[in-house]
Amino acid sequence: DQQVKQNSPSLSVQEGRISILNCDYTNSMFDYFLWYKKYPAEGPTFLISISSIKDKNEDGRFTVFLNKSAKHLSLHIVPSQPGDSAVYFCAASGEYGNKLVFGAGTILRVKS
Amino acid sequence: GAGVSQTPSNKVTEKGKYVELRCDPISGHTALYWYRQSLGQGPEFLIYFQGTGAADDSGLPNDRFFAVRPEGSVSTLKIQRTERGDSAVYLCASSFQSGVTYNEQFFGPGTRLTVL
Repeated sequence: DQQVKQNSPSLSVQEGRISILNCDYTNSMFDYFLWYKKYPAEGPTFLISISSIKDKNEDGRFTVFLNKSAKHLSLHIVPSQPGDSAVYFCAASGEYGNKLVFGAGTILRVKS
Repeated sequence: GAGVSQTPSNKVTEKGKYVELRCDPISGHTALYWYRQSLGQGPEFLIYFQGTGAADDSGLPNDRFFAVRPEGSVSTLKIQRTERGDSAVYLCASSFQSGVTYNEQFFGPGTRLTVL
């Protein structure tokens, strides 16, 4: 039973354009939602998070949107840069983030 | 400061053997987590320590898997009688744990385990 789903295995975007990565979840008890970025041979690196009481959080080029009624969140990267090319994982957790539940990841490739 | 470190970076073993994977968390982090990432999948939670005790071990797949953190810092994940299906990247993460708010988890580079 996959509680967090990333239905797009890969995404290719031109440099300077917007990248939109999507994530769906099934467990309405999740309190926090996070995006992690992973380069080959490295561990996941925290990118941005959002609490379930908010619908938007912005940090520089990265914005996360949460639609609780649809159990959907998305990560927007504007403008996309070649260095953004990586695997992006959506994750969710309970109140204190003790146990992260990850999606399968989306490979983002930003072409220059 | 130094991030989370894991040793070895790669481990190749034969089916049926015993392996130990080590994790050094960020200094001062009281919470430590183990995850397993199989090919094409996201990390999957195994166990979480708060201090020396395992606060949640619900993700350990069976009794061949065991983890310890005797002094509340370094942790060792132990796998007995390894099977080919245990092949994966084992990730360790650590965080502050105040118990009153969300705390970000910082991940190490992982140990790639291959069971032949």
